Amino acid sequence: QQQVKQSPQSLIVQKGGISIINCAYENTAFDYFPWYQQFPGKGPALLIAIRPDVSEKKEGRFTISFNKSAKQFSLHIMDSQPGDSATYFCAAHPNQGGKLIFGQGTELSVKP
Amino acid sequence: GAGVSQTPSNKVTEKGKYVELRCDPISGHTALYWYRQSLGQGPEFLIYFQGTGAADDSGLPNDRFFAVRPEGSVSTLKIQRTERGDSAVYLCASSGTGILDTQYFGPGTRLTVL
Repeated sequence: QQQVKQSPQSLIVQKGGISIINCAYENTAFDYFPWYQQFPGKGPALLIAIRPDVSEKKEGRFTISFNKSAKQFSLHIMDSQPGDSATYFCAAHPNQGGKLIFGQGTELSVKP
Repeated sequence: GAGVSQTPSNKVTEKGKYVELRCDPISGHTALYWYRQSLGQGPEFLIYFQGTGAADDSGLPNDRFFAVRPEGSVSTLKIQRTERGDSAVYLCASSGTGILDTQYFGPGTRLTVL
């Protein structure tokens, strides 16, 4: 069964702190791992993504760390800001087909 | 440019009724996806179109759900004999021709079945 498990369900971080969200998958037939950010009343928007042949990808304050052997990947948000408060979803793309399989989401709140 | 648009933004219906949800993808995008998002959950895949044809409909929960994309652009998700359990936000996304192209999501249609 193709699943992506995400933790924590919710996260509170002080402004300037580091937010860390973790995901794990079971099926090895995934070839692409995006992270999406969703604000209330809006659709998810792509934040950053990684391929499994890379162990880390950084874009500005956002970094994905990928551990292929452990089947885990995580999102790090450096210098977290109140504007980062949103729900974050990890996802995985099976290597055949176009769909994305999403994690359950993490509601991040960054306190000023 | 214009993003993915979905209409209506909200739909309230009664149990047993038929509903249609519309998605206008980004111009030129050949791939179109429907997902369903229940409260507090991640989006759940329903169906994926490449052009006019359904390339993968494995996520449709049962035969009450059907989707079309007759001209390869606008898509309609159709739900027959709605049930209270169908209440959710229905999200549409579109992407370019590459299988790993970014999926751009619309704002969703919130369906409430009373």
